[in-house]
Amino acid sequence: LAKTTQPISMDSYEGQEVNITCSHNNIATNDYITWYQQFPSQGPRFIIQGYKTKVTNEVASLFIPADRKSSTLSLPRVSLSDTAVYYCLVGDGSSNTGKLIFGQGTTLQVKP
Amino acid sequence: DSGVTQTPKHLITATGQRVTLRCSPRSGDLSVYWYQQSLDQGLQFLIQYYNGEERAKGNILERFSAQQFPDLHSELNLSSLELGDSALYFCASSVDPLQGGYGYTFGSGTRLTVV
Repeated sequence: LAKTTQPISMDSYEGQEVNITCSHNNIATNDYITWYQQFPSQGPRFIIQGYKTKVTNEVASLFIPADRKSSTLSLPRVSLSDTAVYYCLVGDGSSNTGKLIFGQGTTLQVKP
Repeated sequence: DSGVTQTPKHLITATGQRVTLRCSPRSGDLSVYWYQQSLDQGLQFLIQYYNGEERAKGNILERFSAQQFPDLHSELNLSSLELGDSALYFCASSVDPLQGGYGYTFGSGTRLTVV
């Protein structure tokens, strides 16, 4: 499975847009990029998934450049409740297990 | 409510004891995954079952074992407990392990404290 690198922590203020970048230089052709959010003492929650270009849903946007060696999760106008750990995962879609391997994640702290 | 049910929510036990954690997957999901999360280790994949059969193993200790029953619920058995086993244990489920990241749903976890 491709290794991912993302910042350990980020700070932001309410109402700002937050961009978290993840590097995945060894991404394979079949890999998708998925982001999860985890609040303290809760299980991770799926945010968004993409393969290339841009994906947007009601929660976030995911930007993936043409070479797919990185991706950026964009959270518009964050609030205090967006304080959480954000995990970037690169999945091997051909695996017969589909298990998710989590990295250290990015701890986002949103301040008032 | 994610649809994945884990019981108990909290468990306090002594070193050397054995405990069983239970997970009921979301309705229709065939695959169950167990993860351990401690402060210094992050989320560690332990083991996966698909329709009753073990499919993948991660960093699971020999003192730990799991199974998935015909009704698809799963149990994680932890024995000869040590202080270092104190952690949050999460269960996740998916319809199809080949579906990639989208179909994974996590439960709210069991917090195990070994004293």
